Amino acid sequence: GNSVTQMEGPVTLSEEAFLTINCTYTATGYPSLFWYVQYPGEGLQLLLKATKADDKGSNKGFEATYRKETTSFHLEKGSVQVSDSAVYFCALSDPLSNDYKLSFGAGTTVTVRA
Amino acid sequence: DAMVIQNPRYQVTQFGKPVTLSCSQTLNHNVMYWYQQKSSQAPKLLFHYYDKDFNNEADTPDNFQSRRPNTSFCFLDIRSPGLGDAAMYLCATSRGRDTQYFGPGTRLTVL
Repeated sequence: GNSVTQMEGPVTLSEEAFLTINCTYTATGYPSLFWYVQYPGEGLQLLLKATKADDKGSNKGFEATYRKETTSFHLEKGSVQVSDSAVYFCALSDPLSNDYKLSFGAGTTVTVRA
Repeated sequence: DAMVIQNPRYQVTQFGKPVTLSCSQTLNHNVMYWYQQKSSQAPKLLFHYYDKDFNNEADTPDNFQSRRPNTSFCFLDIRSPGLGDAAMYLCATSRGRDTQYFGPGTRLTVL
């Protein structure tokens, strides 16, 4: 079946530091890959996505590249801000599967200190 | 802006007292989902509607039910809430198997 393994947190960084959150996946087909962000007390917001190999998703200074050879979709940001403190979820959907389920990683809590 | 709206944002109920959570969307998406999320864990899918077709996850308790009276609205009914049902409930929508967009969530407290 499909699954997502995500770097466990919590991660604590200083402002302007470089952030990487590792995400690897297992899928039977050719999944679409997503990063969602959840700020305290809020729902999930789509941060970025990629639907095929070598696609790069980017938004708000965050980037992730769909690497089929390493089955990875690592999230990066070059210079984090306090406002980036949140929980980040890597997820996949398999357009060829019989269900509509998003497979989520466990989530990574990121705290950025001023 | 097109969006997914959930009401109320916070709901307090008593043990065993039925409660209904509401979700509406202006995206005109044909699929609507209900997720349960506890303590910053990953969201867990309870069920989804593809148009009017209801699809229950195998491990969703019978205590949870849903209604979708039209394309825009979907309701989550918890018939007899227990303490273990306290959680954040997230509604999401998609166009077919495309990207899922989430609402802000309803935080349910059971006293």
